[in-house]
Amino acid sequence: EDQVTQSPEALRLQEGESSSLNCSYTVSGLRGLFWYRQDPGKGPEFLFTLYSAGEEKEKERLKATLTKKESFLHITAPKPEDSATYLCALYSGNTPLVFGKGTRLSVIA
Amino acid sequence: DADVTQTPRNRITKTGKRIMLECSQTKGHDRMYWYRQDPGLGLRLIYYSFDVKDINKGEISDGYSVSRQAQAKFSLSLESAIPNQTALYFCATSDSVDGYTFGSGTRLTVV
Repeated sequence: EDQVTQSPEALRLQEGESSSLNCSYTVSGLRGLFWYRQDPGKGPEFLFTLYSAGEEKEKERLKATLTKKESFLHITAPKPEDSATYLCALYSGNTPLVFGKGTRLSVIA
Repeated sequence: DADVTQTPRNRITKTGKRIMLECSQTKGHDRMYWYRQDPGLGLRLIYYSFDVKDINKGEISDGYSVSRQAQAKFSLSLESAIPNQTALYFCATSDSVDGYTFGSGTRLTVV
């Protein structure tokens, strides 16, 4: 059974304090690893897709990386507007995405 | 217009009432999904449909039903609403390889 575990559940950072969010997974055959951002009361918004170990993608202060067992979302010099819940999800083939429970990030000015 | 539109945005209903949540998409994708989100429990899959003639149960389908009226439309019904169905409901769409595009959600309260 495909499983996704995100850690930590919540993270509080000072503005400018870089950190990483973790997404550990077990899957029979990885076809894609997705990262989403969700603001309170809104639908998740797509950030990145990673397809194979060693792949990296960047967008502004965010960088996503992928190994065979986990993915990291690195946040460099975060700003308060980066505060949100970050979700990762697995795609293993002809089945719906399997979502983690998310990491709730708070960035304090 | 939004790629995925959910109606209503907010709804308060009484226990035992039947309620329908509607979803339409303009992405032209075949696949559509219904999720509910509760604090601490993440997104949980209720039903999904890979094309107009395909309907599949997700992990928490009890108490829910769906209708895929067209490629662009996927409705979720609560046949007899109960208070523990109070949650934020999301519809999403995808093609076979890309990630999902989500709607803005429906906040449902059952009193």
